[in-house]
Amino acid sequence: EIVMTQSPATLSVSPGDRATLSCRASQSVSSKLAWYQQKPGQAPRLLIYDASTRATGISARFSGSGSGTEFTLTINSLQSEDFAVYFCQHYNNWRTFGQGTKVEIK
Amino acid sequence: EVQLVESGGGLVQPGGSLRLSCEASGFSFSDYTMTWVRQAPGKGLELVSGIGVSSDDTSYADSVKGRFTISRDNSINTLFLQMNSLRVDDTAVYYCAKSGYRTGWSYLDFWGQGSLVIVSS
Repeated sequence: EIVMTQSPATLSVSPGDRATLSCRASQSVSSKLAWYQQKPGQAPRLLIYDASTRATGISARFSGSGSGTEFTLTINSLQSEDFAVYFCQHYNNWRTFGQGTKVEIK
Repeated sequence: EVQLVESGGGLVQPGGSLRLSCEASGFSFSDYTMTWVRQAPGKGLELVSGIGVSSDDTSYADSVKGRFTISRDNSINTLFLQMNSLRVDDTAVYYCAKSGYRTGWSYLDFWGQGSLVIVSS
């Protein structure tokens, strides 16, 4: 099973700043990597798929990059609605999620 | 508009059974792989099971293999998860999710609101 490791566990960011979240796979997943946002009491929402393609309706403030084993989600100019938990997920063969990064207000 | 509505959750004793349903609308249900994902209280996401368009193609997490069965009825646009021999550590919100790809395992582009399963004596 491919293990997905996200870092950091918690990221404290001021509104208007940039947040950079990392996701590492234990073996190559090519570009088969998605990012999700989850707010308290809500279902996850797809942000990015195929490592760098924004899902429909997702703000251009969100961008994804990487391939192989190292991936990054960047959130520019953080807004109040962006403070949430973010999960990465690979879909190369089966699928597993990372443990999540909580983006909190600094 | 894609909608996924789960039902069937509740409180059950260890060793008991529950059947979750997920009614889909707003897309061609029979054309897409579907998935169940769960989230224990305060924890991360765990992929439980997936089913291909033909129903012959199913896959399970090791933690539920032999106890849970995924199925679908394309005539009524509904996904199911039969959960037997439930354990306390199966307690979670169970989400139904649609795959972004028509075939194979992929990212999940739409999710239901979740159905809470509590396993407790």
